[in-house]
Amino acid sequence: EIVMTQSPATLSVSPGERATLSCRASQSVSSNLAWYQQKPGQAPRLLIYGASTRATGIPARFSGSGSGTEFTLTISSLQSEDFAVYYCQQYNNWPPKYTFGQGTKLEIK
Amino acid sequence: EVQLVQSGAEVKKPGESLKISCKGSGYSFTSYWIGWVRQMPGKGLEWMGIIYPGDSDTRYSPSFQGQVTISADKSISTAYLQWSSLKASDTAMYYCARPITMVQGVLYDAFDIWGQGTMVTVSS
Repeated sequence: EIVMTQSPATLSVSPGERATLSCRASQSVSSNLAWYQQKPGQAPRLLIYGASTRATGIPARFSGSGSGTEFTLTISSLQSEDFAVYYCQQYNNWPPKYTFGQGTKLEIK
Repeated sequence: EVQLVQSGAEVKKPGESLKISCKGSGYSFTSYWIGWVRQMPGKGLEWMGIIYPGDSDTRYSPSFQGQVTISADKSISTAYLQWSSLKASDTAMYYCARPITMVQGVLYDAFDIWGQGTMVTVSS
């Protein structure tokens, strides 16, 4: 099983500043990596797929990068609505075992 | 509008059976895989398995194989997740989700349409 490890577990950032979240895979997942945002009481929301492609309707302040085993989600200028938990997910195997990272909680500093 | 609508919250006792549902609308239900994801209270997301409603091809994560059954009724555009004997450890929110891409067979894709979730509580 591919293990996804996110860091840090919690990130404290002030509104307007940049946030950088990391995700590492235990083996290469090529570019088959997605990022999701989840707010309390809500379903996950797809932000990024293919490691760097923004999903429909996602603001340009969200960007993804990386390939292979190292990935980054960057939020360029944090808005109040961006404080949430973020998960990475790999979808590089078949039969599918699309494992998630344990999540990074982005909180207001 | 493309959406997945899940059945309502359930409260069950250990040992009882349960089947929760996920109804798709606004798209060709038989042409997209549907996945299921578990989220235990205060915890992260766990991939459970996936079904292709067009031919009922079903794949399970090893952690959930034999623990749950995923099925679909394409005549009513609905996917299901069921348990034959619930345990307290099955207490969780369960989400269904649809991938971005319409594809039969091997799927390498993220999931952009999510149901609202079904909370399952198992307690004596």
